[in-house]
Amino acid sequence: EAGVVQSPRYKIIEKKQPVAFWCNPISGHNTLYWYRQNLGQGPELLIRYENEEAVDDSQLPKDRFSAERLKGVDSTLKIQPAELGDSAVYLCASSYPGFGEQYFGPGTRLTVT
Amino acid sequence: TQLLEQSPQFLSIQEGENLTVYCNSSSVFSSLQWYRQEPGEGPVLLVTVVTGGEVKKLKRLTFQFGDARKDSSLHITAAQPGDTGLYLCAGVNYGGSQGNLIFGKGTKLSVKP
Repeated sequence: EAGVVQSPRYKIIEKKQPVAFWCNPISGHNTLYWYRQNLGQGPELLIRYENEEAVDDSQLPKDRFSAERLKGVDSTLKIQPAELGDSAVYLCASSYPGFGEQYFGPGTRLTVT
Repeated sequence: TQLLEQSPQFLSIQEGENLTVYCNSSSVFSSLQWYRQEPGEGPVLLVTVVTGGEVKKLKRLTFQFGDARKDSSLHITAAQPGDTGLYLCAGVNYGGSQGNLIFGKGTKLSVKP
């Protein structure tokens, strides 16, 4: 069974440019999470989806970050415009509904110069 | 705000040595999870502990959940180079933010042959 797929794996952009990350969760997993992991830190939740609905986006910086999960499967996280402080690894995870185990993708390492 | 403090932050040992890493909080969690993360990959779940005082063993790894469900420890016996990685603890609370994980900063373990 395929795991959580993320692309791209690496992205280098200049500040003020837009960037988007894509995630394909494990088949059958209705819950999808986006995390940000700064260097030397643990992952921090940005947003959680149950199917198409964002049920927890309290930690998402909404002035520059947006996310969508059309049709309740794939998801895209966007940053516009990017700032130097956005450099981090962006992780996607998925799980069955409720308190299911979360499976993480390999992440996208973003460098903003 | 619930926080998880992990110690030590870094640990470098020789193959065959034993080690213990700690995860502490002033808050009570419904359960606590331990993950291992290798460079360029997402975290992978090792174990979930739910009951205060619970001890779980996974080969050479022993996990313990404190009686008050505020702290946990991971003990590795006879460490091997393959144990090298970032060990993260994550607290879970079942409630308004169902299943959301709160991660510690991690312990970076290096086992030298």
